[in-house]
Amino acid sequence: KAGVTQTPRYLIKTRGQQVTLSCSPISGHRSVSWYQQTPGQGLQFLFEYFSETQRNKGNFPGRFSGRQFSNSRSEMNVSTLELGDSALYLCASRGQGKRDDEQYFGPGTRLTVT
Amino acid sequence: AQRVTQPEKLLSVFKGAPVELKCNYSYSGSPELFWYVQYSRQRLQLLLRHISRESIKGFTADLNKGETSFHLKKPFAQEEDSAMYYCALSGGFQKLVFGTGTRLLVSP
Repeated sequence: KAGVTQTPRYLIKTRGQQVTLSCSPISGHRSVSWYQQTPGQGLQFLFEYFSETQRNKGNFPGRFSGRQFSNSRSEMNVSTLELGDSALYLCASRGQGKRDDEQYFGPGTRLTVT
Repeated sequence: AQRVTQPEKLLSVFKGAPVELKCNYSYSGSPELFWYVQYSRQRLQLLLRHISRESIKGFTADLNKGETSFHLKKPFAQEEDSAMYYCALSGGFQKLVFGTGTRLLVSP
């Protein structure tokens, strides 16, 4: 089974721009979660999508948004980028079984805002 | 409030020594707790979960609700155990609340 893939792997943007990150979950997984990882704040939950619906949202400003498509692929968008948005953005997918509570993480997209 | 605390940023031990990575949590309901590990240049992966009460790569973790702890233990550390370890709490709908992580360094 192919793992979670994220594109692009690296991105450099300028303050004020917007960015879209993509995540393809493991085949058959319908839940996709997004996390931001920074040296100062660690790993923080952004949001989770299941069957194209956002089920849970972390404590981030409205500049951070996401969506999920019918094939379970998910995108995350950050508008009006700030220097503090520089981070590693991870997505994770999960299956549906009762005991299948493991989240499988992608390699991340490293975003640098200059 | 849901919170996970890992008090040690770095834990340095010699090969063969016992290891205990500390994790304390704050959660109002019945917690689901996990340990994730990230080896150098690899992606974050699940090490073990409290509900399965299993031992993975020699590591075990017991949930102590009285002390609100979920410490990770291994009796004899190996060099290949060197990695970043994150304790995490499931806050519903796949939301994981992570601790800040502990870097374990096992020296020969």
